[in-house]
Amino acid sequence: NAGVTQTPKFQVLKTGQSMTLQCAQDMNHNSMYWYRQDPGMGLRLIYYSASEGTTDKGEVPNGYNVSRLNKREFSLRLESAAPSQTSVYFCASSPRGSWGRETQYFGPGTRLLVL
Amino acid sequence: RKEVEQDPGPFNVPEGATVAFNCTYSNSASQSFFWYRQDCRKEPKLLMSVYSSGNEDGRFTAQLNRASQYISLLIRDSKLSDSATYLCVVNEDSNYQLIWGAGTKLIIKP
Repeated sequence: NAGVTQTPKFQVLKTGQSMTLQCAQDMNHNSMYWYRQDPGMGLRLIYYSASEGTTDKGEVPNGYNVSRLNKREFSLRLESAAPSQTSVYFCASSPRGSWGRETQYFGPGTRLLVL
Repeated sequence: RKEVEQDPGPFNVPEGATVAFNCTYSNSASQSFFWYRQDCRKEPKLLMSVYSSGNEDGRFTAQLNRASQYISLLIRDSKLSDSATYLCVVNEDSNYQLIWGAGTKLIIKP
């Protein structure tokens, strides 16, 4: 099984450009998450989806939108990229969404540079 | 924002030695605790959950001290492959979010 996959692996954008980060999991998990990781800081939750059909804001949602396309796929969109969004983005999933009581499985990450 | 604090390191440790590091958390209501491991330029992976009574998994021992609000990770007989960043993660039962520490970098030297 592939687990959690993310595309693209790397991306360079100019300020104001838009892009969508794709995430898919093949573990039949209910919950999916988008995080960003910046140097010297812990992972911060951007958005999460407790189950298919629902999405909610995390700690740092401004400048992002998400879509839970189906149970497998959860995409993150930057409508107008800003240099402050330069970061490493991780998608994760967990089986039932028991808020922090279970393991989260991560994708390999997307490294985004906004110029 | 609730805080989870870790010494960033790096901890430079000779192979075979024992190393321990702590993580402090600010919210006394926190209920679930974890250690994740992250290799350079890779994704985090669960190392172990931390239970109230403490728990051990091979060379790794995790402890929780609720009175002083910290968790610890002890690695015995360290291997070169233990070199990584160790992330402390805390969850409050009333909140969906995991609060992540920035990590402690461990370098095992031959």
